[in-house]
Amino acid sequence: KNEVEQSPQNLTAQEGEFITINCSYSVGISALHWLQQHPGGGIVSLFMLSSGKKKHGRLIATINIQEKHSSLHITASHPRDSAVYICAVGGTSYDKVIFGPGTSLSVIP
Amino acid sequence: DADVTQTPRNRITKTGKRIMLECSQTKGHDRMYWYRQDPGLGLRLIYYSFDVKDINKGEISDGYSVSRQAQAKFSLSLESAIPNQTALYFCATSGGASGYNEQFFGPGTRLTVL
Repeated sequence: KNEVEQSPQNLTAQEGEFITINCSYSVGISALHWLQQHPGGGIVSLFMLSSGKKKHGRLIATINIQEKHSSLHITASHPRDSAVYICAVGGTSYDKVIFGPGTSLSVIP
Repeated sequence: DADVTQTPRNRITKTGKRIMLECSQTKGHDRMYWYRQDPGLGLRLIYYSFDVKDINKGEISDGYSVSRQAQAKFSLSLESAIPNQTALYFCATSGGASGYNEQFFGPGTRLTVL
């Protein structure tokens, strides 16, 4: 069993839909990261959280430490949200971060 | 200008050749990392460096070596490239002593070994 799992693996949505991407992990962590990888390959950090919820624009990330689960929500999805979303869980330093396989999202106009 | 740059962006080479991938950053970060990404797999850490005199092996260091020439430069070498090293390679940086600092990624280098 992989230490970090994401679901779904692939997701296609219509523009405007509410989207949820899930991340489950099996190791103890100090922080969880959500990253976005665009079709050209570039990776950008979206969130880093250790408890509760964070919001940035149309993106919301939540984490439940007890259940070892995090969700990334996208409200009012748009074609420019099409990307691979990567969950990563970490210790106290990035040399201990474990990356999930990613969820590929395609938002259709 | 990009904060983290990688050269080359694309490289096709033959089995047995020596290859160097270079990474430069203008963020003033002490910590630098090299990852590889394969389809369907998460990013995997190859080597990392917490300062100029510090080099550490990551999860998959076999077949790779690195050099930290300066705070701003971290190079990855494949001494004798093999086809299963075909992958997308990313350099990243972070600042501070805590993993709570954000990581910044370069644009990636697509390497193909024939």
